[in-house]
Amino acid sequence: DAKTTQPTSMDCAEGRAANLPCNHSTISGNEYVYWYRQIHSQGPQYIIHGLKNNETNEMASLIITEDRKSSTLILPHATLRDTAVYYCIVRVSHAAGNKLTFGGGTRVLVKP
Amino acid sequence: GAVVSQHPSWVICKSGTSVKIECRSLDFQATTMFWYRQFPKQSLMLMATSNEGSKATYEQGVEKDKFLINHASLTLSTLTVTSAHPEDSSFYICSARDLAPGGVYNSPLHFGNGTRLTVT
Repeated sequence: DAKTTQPTSMDCAEGRAANLPCNHSTISGNEYVYWYRQIHSQGPQYIIHGLKNNETNEMASLIITEDRKSSTLILPHATLRDTAVYYCIVRVSHAAGNKLTFGGGTRVLVKP
Repeated sequence: GAVVSQHPSWVICKSGTSVKIECRSLDFQATTMFWYRQFPKQSLMLMATSNEGSKATYEQGVEKDKFLINHASLTLSTLTVTSAHPEDSSFYICSARDLAPGGVYNSPLHFGNGTRLTVT
């Protein structure tokens, strides 16, 4: 699976949009981009995933560049409860046993 | 949505004893479950892939005789830490994917809330 690069940490203001970048320059054509987050002392929570089109759900938006070498997760109105470590993962998704490999993630602190 | 439940949420045991952790998919069937371990301030590290009805596949460096995995049904996988030692103290997390008929292979993994193991 392609490796991803994310900033180690970032702060954002409550109520503002949080834009989390991820570089995956070696991504292959059949690899999806997944975003998870982990709030302290809990299991990871799925946020969103996409292949090449931008995606939006009730939690966030995912913007994937046209060359697919990078993406941005957007939390439209950050709240204090969005403080967490956010993981960007790329993975081929054609087999039931396909595992997720976590990198270091971005530690996001939402400040009042 | 799909729910994965882990039990217990925390456990303290004495060195040399064994501890069993359960992972259940509550509203879906999972032929494959994954077990992760996370040390403080570190990322999740995959330990093994649990396959229903067959042997688990362990990642390099993970002792299969120490971390026993059983996946006897489509909704339950167990991880037993045998002869636990203080260095086994960690946060253990399981995950599974809903592959019901009509499900797709790019559907996301769902994670349990983890089990914090402390070995004294």
